[in-house]
Amino acid sequence: GAVVSQHPSWVICKSGTSVKIECRSLDFQATTMFWYRQFPKQSLMLMATSNEGSKATYEQGVEKDKFLINHASLTLSTLTVTSAHPEDSSFYICSASRTSGRRDHEQYFGPGTRLTVT
Amino acid sequence: DQQVKQNSPSLSVQEGRISILNCDYTNSMFDYFLWYKKYPAEGPTFLISISSIKDKNEDGRFTVFLNKSAKHLSLHIVPSQPGDSAVYFCAASTQGGSEKLVFGKGTKLTVNP
Repeated sequence: GAVVSQHPSWVICKSGTSVKIECRSLDFQATTMFWYRQFPKQSLMLMATSNEGSKATYEQGVEKDKFLINHASLTLSTLTVTSAHPEDSSFYICSASRTSGRRDHEQYFGPGTRLTVT
Repeated sequence: DQQVKQNSPSLSVQEGRISILNCDYTNSMFDYFLWYKKYPAEGPTFLISISSIKDKNEDGRFTVFLNKSAKHLSLHIVPSQPGDSAVYFCAASTQGGSEKLVFGKGTKLTVNP
C-alpha cells in the first residue's frame, strides 16, 4: 500500500508554455501533499505544501504565480509550471502523507517528473 | 543556511561490510528524522526513521542512531549488499515526519561485490 504516482514521468516543453504535473495517491487518502524540486546533485527542496480544499503554502522564494498548485481531492494534487523557462528545468517530486489520525509518520513519494524546458 | 547536512557526498564499501552514513543538523526544534534511499530519476523510498525521544531504531539490516547533544545521526547498514548502492538522504521534521521535511544533499553509497 501507500503508492503515489506522478504523470507525466518526463516532459519537454518550449519556453513560454505551461506544463501540468499530476500527483495521485493510489491506495490511500492524502490530506497533505508536498511538492519538491531537485537540481542535479542537490537535495530535495520543498516548494510548497498543499492541503485538500485549501490554498497551498509556498516556501520562501517560490513564486506562487509561477508554480500553481491545486489539491482538489484527497487523492490528487497538480502542479502547473506557468510560462516555463529553461531555468525551471528540474526534477519535480511530489509526496503525500496519509490522513491525520494514523500512527505512521511517513511521506510517500512519487517517482518524480523530469521537466526540460527548451 | 543548510539545516541538514550530509558532509560526505560519496561512500564506497565492500559487500558484507558495514556502511555508516552520517548526518548533522542545526535546528534543535527537529523532533523526527528519516532516511530515504533514492535511485536516479526515481522518487525517494522511505527506509527508517527515529523520533527524538529515542537514540536508536533498528529494522533488519538498517539501524539509525541519534545523538541529540551532538545534533548528529547516522545510518548503519550491515551487512552491506550491492543492491544497497544508491543515494541516501537524511531528512528532518519539526512536526513528526508527516509534515514538512528538510533534506540533506545526500550521500551516494556504492557497495562493491
